[in-house]
Amino acid sequence: GQNIDQPTEMTATEGAIVQINCTYQTSGFNGLFWYQQHAGEAPTFLSYNVLDGLEEKGRFSSFLSRSKGYSYLLLKELQMKDSASYLCAAISGGYNKLIFGAGTRLAVHP
Amino acid sequence: GAVVSQHPSWVICKSGTSVKIECRSLDFQATTMFWYRQFPKQSLMLMATSNEGSKATYEQGVEKDKFLINHASLTLSTLTVTSAHPEDSSFYICSATKLSLQETQYFGPGTRLLVL
Repeated sequence: GQNIDQPTEMTATEGAIVQINCTYQTSGFNGLFWYQQHAGEAPTFLSYNVLDGLEEKGRFSSFLSRSKGYSYLLLKELQMKDSASYLCAAISGGYNKLIFGAGTRLAVHP
Repeated sequence: GAVVSQHPSWVICKSGTSVKIECRSLDFQATTMFWYRQFPKQSLMLMATSNEGSKATYEQGVEKDKFLINHASLTLSTLTVTSAHPEDSSFYICSATKLSLQETQYFGPGTRLLVL
């Protein structure tokens, strides 16, 4: 079957670093996405990894290990506005279907 | 750019009526459009995959006669919720992929449906 696992909730302090982990089991794996979603809004694209390794983009970095079926999203210099749900999604199949995890709700405190 | 719009953003309707939601890619041609549904505090669940000019592919458990999808052009897809019931109340989100970068999905702002 297809399965995406990520923690349900995390809390962190403003200015700190937080790592959100994601493990996946999918058929026809074609890459992994991270999206940010604020309450009541649609997801916004953060990162896409298809090869093993770390992709850095400003305060956000994403890592992928295809052999381990594992990814993480790293958020540095946390800001209050980073409080949101972070969705891990694996892409699979001929039509590039996204299989979403349940999302990790991150709360950033002062 | 990669802007996807949805209309309407909010809709309240009576039970038994039909509701049409439009999804448009504003500044690119979309090879494929996807329709998702999201219940409160849950993740996005794919309902169907839609390609221009062909029938939509529905996910298991999604009734194709209830959720009608029409993909008339490379920039427009519509989802019609027929004979809506209160349990259809949800956040409906579409996404689209570009011809040039088919892996990345760009999401519309979502449509919140409330069926009374």
